Amino acid sequence: DSGVTQTPKHLITATGQRVTLRCSPRSGDLSVYWYQQSLDQGLQFLIQYYNGEERAKGNILERFSAQQFPDLHSELNLSSLELGDSALYFCASSVNPGTGELFFGEGSRLTVL
Amino acid sequence: ELKVEQNPLFLSMQEGKNYTIYCNYSTTSDRLYWYRQDPGKSLESLFVLLSNGAVKQEGRLMASLDTKARLSTLHITAAVHDLSATYFCAVVGEGGATNKLIFGTGTLLAVQP
Repeated sequence: DSGVTQTPKHLITATGQRVTLRCSPRSGDLSVYWYQQSLDQGLQFLIQYYNGEERAKGNILERFSAQQFPDLHSELNLSSLELGDSALYFCASSVNPGTGELFFGEGSRLTVL
Repeated sequence: ELKVEQNPLFLSMQEGKNYTIYCNYSTTSDRLYWYRQDPGKSLESLFVLLSNGAVKQEGRLMASLDTKARLSTLHITAAVHDLSATYFCAVVGEGGATNKLIFGTGTLLAVQP
């Protein structure tokens, strides 16, 4: 158990819908990262937050958005869902934004029908 | 843009045999990680390599790093079925300001009895 908690574990929804994935980092970690894992794209970095502020941005679609709240949990919002958004979404956390190891959660599996 | 390549993508090997997975990356980086992923599961950290010439071993797995060649290897000795999984290398994308990891394509290892 890495200490990073993600909910929900599984989510099935329809095209055009909107979902929110939630991540609670390890106790004491200030930085949160979101990754998308799909068969065709592999593991892609989406976005990083540090202490509530965006720190780095990767291949995140405009239909996707994220934020980190004052209690340090983070949410990834996916809207206007398409079939291709079906993937495993991982959250990771680290103590500092630029050093130290990332610890990954169990992931949220999103299926868009 | 940092690119990380692994080969082979798929490796089928017999128990008791040795093999090496290669990880090449395109720009300088001060940290390289190896992860293991079982199907549908999270990413388990195996090794962190921090300097040129670093070598780490755990059981039947040994990882090394050559920063001048921008190459890391994961060597498997006398494979057993329990090692069957997907192995990823990951490199710190920019360092300093962000700790985001750029992942390789992954190597699916199947150890046959």
